[in-house]
Amino acid sequence: EAQVTQNPRYLITVTGKKLTVTCSQNMNHEYMSWYRQDPGLGLRQIYYSMNVEVTDKGDVPEGYKVSRKEKRNFPLILESPSPNQTSLYFCASNPGGVHTGELFFGEGSRLTVL
Amino acid sequence: GQNIDQPTEMTATEGAIVQINCTYQTSGFNGLFWYQQHAGEAPTFLSYNVLDGLEEKGRFSSFLSRSKGYSYLLLKELQMKDSASYLCAVRDDKIIFGKGTRLHILP
Repeated sequence: EAQVTQNPRYLITVTGKKLTVTCSQNMNHEYMSWYRQDPGLGLRQIYYSMNVEVTDKGDVPEGYKVSRKEKRNFPLILESPSPNQTSLYFCASNPGGVHTGELFFGEGSRLTVL
Repeated sequence: GQNIDQPTEMTATEGAIVQINCTYQTSGFNGLFWYQQHAGEAPTFLSYNVLDGLEEKGRFSSFLSRSKGYSYLLLKELQMKDSASYLCAVRDDKIIFGKGTRLHILP
């Protein structure tokens, strides 16, 4: 089954404790992206990747890191989480290139930073 | 800069028709998406327009005018399950989203 898988789905952590949210897709997609969603602010892009070893900042990259060492994986790293990073996070992928249709979403990861 | 605008909230009646508008200003354009999202869930794909015109898919239709930077999503024969947020997104080299329109359906 074609899917985007995120882990963990739910996490409560404390300020400053490094964490990684994993994202994996099994569709051989070139484009992958991370979004965060907060009430009233919609989906805001954190980072995106057009292909392996190519990553770019989105609109809200501060406090986050990503890597794209393999095509299928695109982990989101919070080196020193802070309470303002409490949010619902979505990973998404797309075949890449021009006019390639649907953006496939993971189920989301709800993160709480105390 | 990049900007995508859509109304924050709309209300419609069960069985009626509603049109959700989206205007965009982006440096490039490679297509426009519409997604449906229920609270706490992942967005669900509805449509993807690349060329001008209307595309119909069951009760949902999506229209695009690239020269005007404008799109709308038309929902017909509204059902209570259509109560959700509707997200407009534009693809440049990356894919960015508007803030979404929360649609309330009244019985």
